[in-house]
Amino acid sequence: DTGVSQDPRHKITKRGQNVTFRCDPISEHNRLYWYRQTLGQGPEFLTYFQNEAQLEKSRLLSDRFSAERPKGSFSTLEIQRTEQGDSAMYLCASSLRGLEQYFGPGTRLTVT
Amino acid sequence: SQQGEEDPQALSIQEGENATMNCSYKTSINNLQWYRQNSGRGLVHLILIRSNEREKHSGRLRVTLDTSKKSSSLLITASRAADTASYFCATEEETSGSRLTFGEGTQLTVNP
Repeated sequence: DTGVSQDPRHKITKRGQNVTFRCDPISEHNRLYWYRQTLGQGPEFLTYFQNEAQLEKSRLLSDRFSAERPKGSFSTLEIQRTEQGDSAMYLCASSLRGLEQYFGPGTRLTVT
Repeated sequence: SQQGEEDPQALSIQEGENATMNCSYKTSINNLQWYRQNSGRGLVHLILIRSNEREKHSGRLRVTLDTSKKSSSLLITASRAADTASYFCATEEETSGSRLTFGEGTQLTVNP
C-alpha cells in the first residue's frame, strides 16, 4: 500500500495519560499535515511540516500537544496529560509541493 | 475556525438522480478542494480547482468556482448508492501557507 498510513487506528486511554500517534506519508511527499476531526464536523488544522521543519501550528495546538518529523519522513503527534475534550479522530495527510492533500485512515482517540 | 459552509447539511436522493452541493467561503483563496468521507473513515480527495479556474470535470463530478461570490458547487451526476458519504469543501487561503480550512460537510444519502 503506497498511501498514507497511521498507527494505531484506535486508541483508548484514561484521562491524564500520554498518547503518541504515528503517520507515514506517501514516500515522495515533502509536506505532512495533522488535522483533528470531531463528530459531525469537518477536520481542523493542527500543524504541518515541510520536510523536517514545522512551518505552522494552529492555536488549537496547546502546549500539551507536540509534533515531530525528525528525518523528514514519518511524523509523530504526542498528547500529554490527555483530557476528555481530546477525544477525536486525528488525521494525517501528505502532499507534494502543497497541492492535493492525501489523507490517511485516521487514529480515533477515546479518552475515558 | 471553519471557513467553508456547505449547503445543504443533508441531502437524500434516489439512485440515478443528480446531487448538487454548495460551498461558500470568506477569504481569498489559492485553490478549493472537495473531499469525500465514508462514515468513520479517512478523507478521499475528489478534485482541486484553482482560483483562476471556473469549472472542472472528473468522471461524474463537475465542480464550479465563482471567486466573485466566494462560492463553489459540486455536482455528482447519475448518483449511485456507493456515493453515500459526507462531502467536504476545503480552501487553501492565500495567506495560509498550505493548510486547508474545511467546512462542516454535506451528508449525502443515495437510496437504491
